[in-house]
Amino acid sequence: VQLVESGGGIVQRGGSLRLSCVASGFIFDDHWMHWVRQVPGKGPVWVSRINSDGSSIFYADSVKGRFTTSRDNAKNTVYLQMDNLTDEDSAIYYCASITFFGWGQGTLVTVSS
Amino acid sequence: DVVMTQSPLSLPVTLGQPASISCRSSQSLVYSDGNIYLNWFQQRPGQSPRRLIYMLSKRDSGVPDRFSGSGSGTDFTLEISRVEVEDIGVYYCMQGTHWPYTFGPGTNLEIK
Repeated sequence: VQLVESGGGIVQRGGSLRLSCVASGFIFDDHWMHWVRQVPGKGPVWVSRINSDGSSIFYADSVKGRFTTSRDNAKNTVYLQMDNLTDEDSAIYYCASITFFGWGQGTLVTVSS
Repeated sequence: DVVMTQSPLSLPVTLGQPASISCRSSQSLVYSDGNIYLNWFQQRPGQSPRRLIYMLSKRDSGVPDRFSGSGSGTDFTLEISRVEVEDIGVYYCMQGTHWPYTFGPGTNLEIK
């Protein structure tokens, strides 16, 4: 199981970023995918999950209306579109799958003023 | 949201000795199918979380059998029978029964 995130970086407050997570080593379209974020030194926080065909998506209240999760099963990729970013969104963002058995290495998002 | 609490938050242990971490949930984690969706994760410094235990007590492949999970309803325990140096890190419980999924604050396992 391998998950590789990309797309993190430094963005201004109010800006947008799109994270990607490419999966391999398992049957991607059989599994839900999750986004989890973690401020260094703090515990992880679940952000979003998308079911196997993309028809059902849940979000944490803190990101609802600003973040959009999608997936492309042909590309074994899940995305997190993050809009109207605030300082509180600064964190390492992980994708995870197979009921959190597989995790990526994370991508760092820093929101600056 | 279901609040997960852990104790202790810091756990100094002697190598070769047992360790126990407690996790409590603000609501029962028994799902409608009768299962308890309680996971335990280990996070070593600079690494991603690694799942050790799922569904309360099922050990993931490759996880040493010195790790075990137990509990019921709202009270859960991760036990390490004999701590080894590679076990150093932060341990998190996470509930997957209720939306949104929530994690505990973490327990920092360190060598005494």
